[in-house]
Amino acid sequence: EVQLLESGGGLIQPGGSLRLSCAASGFTFNNQAMTWVRQPPGKGLYWVSTLSRDGDDRYYAEAVKGRFTISRDISKNTLYLDVNSLRAEDTAVYYCAKGLATRWYAFEVWGQGTVVTVSS
Amino acid sequence: EIVLTQSPATLSLSPGERATLSCRASQSVDNQLAWYQQKPGQAPRLLIHDASNRATGIPARFSGSGSGTDFTLTISSLDPEDFAVYYCQQPHRWPLTFGGGTKVEIK
Repeated sequence: EVQLLESGGGLIQPGGSLRLSCAASGFTFNNQAMTWVRQPPGKGLYWVSTLSRDGDDRYYAEAVKGRFTISRDISKNTLYLDVNSLRAEDTAVYYCAKGLATRWYAFEVWGQGTVVTVSS
Repeated sequence: EIVLTQSPATLSLSPGERATLSCRASQSVDNQLAWYQQKPGQAPRLLIHDASNRATGIPARFSGSGSGTDFTLTISSLDPEDFAVYYCQQPHRWPLTFGGGTKVEIK
């Protein structure tokens, strides 16, 4: 069974940093694009970042560009999101998501999410 | 950025009724539009991709249509488990964007 499990969230002060992890099982990252999506409390879904299937291309939402970095470790089958210079508006549930085999952009598998709360 | 506008914001219906949800894009996304369902405390679930293709395991009462800028998600007969929030999403242009959601609530 294909599963994603996020971890690494928590309560962090403004300006702080975290590393979010997304451990995958049931498939390998090789040749698979992966994406982070976030959801602020009581609000909708917002795309954050995508790592291309070959791992060479990274795409970011304007709101996080320069502060967040997406990466992966194929040997650990884990996706990461390094989040720096955190702001109150970064408070959200962060989901990692995997697309269909032939449609990377249709997110068929989601993790349960990890909560990031930015507050002093 | 392509803005997706969903309407209505809230849809109040009874089980067994037909639900029609709209998603309008600020510019053409061809047929590259997906629909997701989200229930409280859960991750989103993919319903439809490429405007009209049901994802694996999605009941036939869910259907999607449209192309270009106007899209519709139809639930032919609401089951009690269908009351949730629905989002559309486009991958046609970076940045990927989601609509603001339509809440389907029990009347």
